[in-house]
Amino acid sequence: RKEVEQDPGPFNVPEGATVAFNCTYSNSASQSFFWYRQDCRKEPKLLMSVYSSGNEDGRFTAQLNRASQYISLLIRDSKLSDSATYLCVVNPNNDMRFGAGTRLTVKP
Amino acid sequence: DAGITQSPRHKVTETGTPVTLRCHQTENHRYMYWYRQDPGHGLRLIHYSYGVKDTDKGEVSDGYSVSRSKTEDFLLTLESATSSQTSVYFCATLDDSTDTQYFGPGTRLTVL
Repeated sequence: RKEVEQDPGPFNVPEGATVAFNCTYSNSASQSFFWYRQDCRKEPKLLMSVYSSGNEDGRFTAQLNRASQYISLLIRDSKLSDSATYLCVVNPNNDMRFGAGTRLTVKP
Repeated sequence: DAGITQSPRHKVTETGTPVTLRCHQTENHRYMYWYRQDPGHGLRLIHYSYGVKDTDKGEVSDGYSVSRSKTEDFLLTLESATSSQTSVYFCATLDDSTDTQYFGPGTRLTVL
């Protein structure tokens, strides 16, 4: 079983749609959690950290459920520019572990 | 963006040859990482460093070695490249005040 598992996707949605990505992790000792975004042939970049209480940044909402070892990312009012691969990242001990990523394509 | 550069950006080599990839950072971050990224696998950790001369193995370390003689440089060496090491290699650093990783632009390595 992989340490971090994500919805395989791809997700193809129209502009304005709401889309949700899920992620589960196996190491219960994990201390911090993140969503990264990666554009085609580019390096990953931090989208947002995920806090226990849940957090929101504009159209993006991240949730963490420690008991179920589950992380989610919700994107509201999708834009064409949201098209990318979204990576779930878990940090058990400063050796970050990445999910394989979920590809999102937002279409006009 | 953190000042992370990787060299070379692209390399084609032959099976059995040694290859060294360089990562350079200007942020004075203590932690540095080498990942490889392959379709269907996402980013997999090869080795990481938590200080000068302090390194540890990641989940796919076989066939790779690393060295860190200065805070700013982290080298990844393939002693004898194999075709299975064809991949995109990313270097990253960790800002441990924010727990945020910053990535270099990547190196595309092809082993023929």
